[in-house]
This record gives sequence, C-alpha cells and structure tokens, in this order.
Amino acid sequence: AQSVTQLDSHVSVSEGTPVLLRCNYSSSYSPSLFWYVQHPNKGLQLLLKYTSAATLVKGINGFEAEFKKSETSFHLTKPSAHMSDAAEYFCVVINGGYQKVTFGTGTKLQVIP
Amino acid sequence: DGGITQSPKYLFRKEGQNVTLSCEQNLNHDAMYWYRQDPGQGLRLIYYSQIVNDFQKGDIAEGYSVSREKKESFPLTVTSAQKNPTAFYLCASSILIDRQGNQPQHFGDGTRLSIL
Repeated sequence: AQSVTQLDSHVSVSEGTPVLLRCNYSSSYSPSLFWYVQHPNKGLQLLLKYTSAATLVKGINGFEAEFKKSETSFHLTKPSAHMSDAAEYFCVVINGGYQKVTFGTGTKLQVIP
Repeated sequence: DGGITQSPKYLFRKEGQNVTLSCEQNLNHDAMYWYRQDPGQGLRLIYYSQIVNDFQKGDIAEGYSVSREKKESFPLTVTSAQKNPTAFYLCASSILIDRQGNQPQHFGDGTRLSIL
C-alpha cells in the first residue's frame, strides 16, 4: 500500500519567517518523492524531487526538503517566506515501474505581510 | 518552449451533453494522465496512457472516456453519465521510468468545467 499524509491543511506565516510544510508517506518500495506548488487556477509546478540520491534536496525559489527514511517524512522548508510563496503545496510519491502516483491532499500556505 | 497545453480554460456543460477537453504536449513524453481536482481532495486519477492506442482506467473513470491516437494528444470526454462533473481538470505527462528512477509529471494549466 502507498499513501501520503500532509499533516496541515493550512499554514500561516509572516513574511520573512521560516516555512515548514510537513509530509509523511508510506510505501512498500523505495519511493521517489516530489513537492509541487499550485497557484490559483493554474497547474502544478514541480518544486523539487527526491529519487534516492542525496537526502537533502534543493529546489526552486529557495525551497528544500529532507528525506528521512527512519521517520518516513519529506518535509518542505524555506528559510524566509515571501509574499509570492502564498499558494497550495502538494507532496507526491511515485512507486514502481508502472508509475503508481499518490498525491497528498495539499497544504495551503498563507503569507502575512 | 516545450510544455502542455490544455484548452479551453473554462468550459460549461448543459444537462445531457458530452464535452471534450483538449490536452496537447510537445515534450515527447510517452505517458499522459488526466486528473480531477476538487477542493480539499487533492488530485484523483481519471485515466492514463503509457503508449499510443492504449490507456488504462484510474481511480474515478466512470462517466469519462479518452483516446490516444497520437503521442502528443490525449483528449478527455466528460459524458452525460458523469453526474457531478463540476471540477478543475488537469492533464499531465511524463517520461516513463528510466535508469534514474521515477520521473516527475509535468502539468498543464487546467480546464475548469461547470454545469449550466
């Protein structure tokens, strides 16, 4: 079985403060993990991906995520939030040669000026 | 620029009507996917295709149909059998798994379908 849990449906931070969006997964195989961002009425844009190389993954727009196998987590962080970061973020796990894809239910990030 | 184009951006359906959503990609990807997005539910897979002239049902295929006559095109038809079609529909494509492992999906900008 495969699943993804985004622990917070909404996160609110002040501009310039750190961002933490939490994601836990379960998987029977070594997974590939991804974070996407979605702005209103837009498609999903890939932020970063983990595919069994370095456990600390750097992405676009200053985001990074750390794969922790012992904790089955892949939390997304950013040192300093910007107003343009306000969007919905999705954690995604992909397994196997048949590309079984599972999306989390999303975390909406609000950035307060 | 390479990418995925979905059209139209907004679409309205009358009762008993079938409507078709277009998805075209010029990324030379083998696999294409259709998702439905409802508030608070994330994305749910409707259909996917890994090769021309072949496609598979996803988790919520009832009331939908697809075709894959060309590598770059994967249109989705929302039939009158789909009783609750109001949603945001997203098309995606990807390279199939390769030596670097699973590859991410690339998404279009979506089509918002509403009932008249």
